[in-house]
Amino acid sequence: DAGVIQSPRHEVTEMGQEVTLRCKPISGHDYLFWYRQTMMRGLELLIYFNNNVPIDDSGMPEDRFSAKMPNASFSTLKIQPSEPRDSAVYFCASSREYVNIQYFGAGTRLSVL
Amino acid sequence: AQKITQTQPGMFVQEKEAVTLDCTYDTSDPSYGLFWYKQPSSGEMIFLIYQGSYDQQNATEGRYSLNFQKARKSANLVISASQLGDSAMYFCAMSLENTGTASKLTFGTGTRLQVTL
Repeated sequence: DAGVIQSPRHEVTEMGQEVTLRCKPISGHDYLFWYRQTMMRGLELLIYFNNNVPIDDSGMPEDRFSAKMPNASFSTLKIQPSEPRDSAVYFCASSREYVNIQYFGAGTRLSVL
Repeated sequence: AQKITQTQPGMFVQEKEAVTLDCTYDTSDPSYGLFWYKQPSSGEMIFLIYQGSYDQQNATEGRYSLNFQKARKSANLVISASQLGDSAMYFCAMSLENTGTASKLTFGTGTRLQVTL
C-alpha cells in the first residue's frame, strides 16, 4: 500500500510569494493532520481534518496560513504571503477511525528567502 | 494540557547492545496513547510502536519494546541488539483517546541516538 504522499519534497521561495503544499493521505484513512517541525518549536500540530472537515485549526499560526481538504484523497496547506520565519519542514499524517496511529509523509522542506 | 519530556538530548550505544530511551508524560486524562517515532537523517517520521493507557501488557514490535510504567508516567523505548541503521532521532509522543476519535500528537523534544561499532 502507498503511504502518505507529500509534494513537493523541497520548496525554495522568496518572501511574499504564495506557497502551496500538497498531501495525499493513505486510502481509507479518515483523519488528516498537518504538522510543522522547526528547531525552535519542535513538532507542532497546525490543523487536522476528519472526513474532510476541519476539526481543530488552533495551531495555525496566523491568517496567512490556510488549509483545505476538498476530498478524501487530497489536502493543501497554503501560505500567502510567505515569510522567512515560515521556513520549516511541514509534515502531513493520516490515520483511521478508532485506530489512533498516525502515519507520516516524507515531509516538505520549505525555505523562504 | 499534555506534556512529553525527553531528558536525553543524545545517547551513544555500541552495536548489538540494548539501549533505553527515556520518556515521561503528563496528563490528567485517563485515556491516552503513547507512541515512539524514528526520524533518520533523511527526515521522514517512521512509526515504531504504540501503547494504550489501558493496555495491560507492554507493547513490543520486533526489536522495539515500550516499558510502560503508568504510576510513574513513563514510557521508555527499549531497542535490543542495536544496529547501525538505528542511528536517528527518536521522538516520544502522546495523544488523547476519548471515544475512539483521533486527536493531535504532542511530541517531546527528541533523543538523538548514535550507534557505534
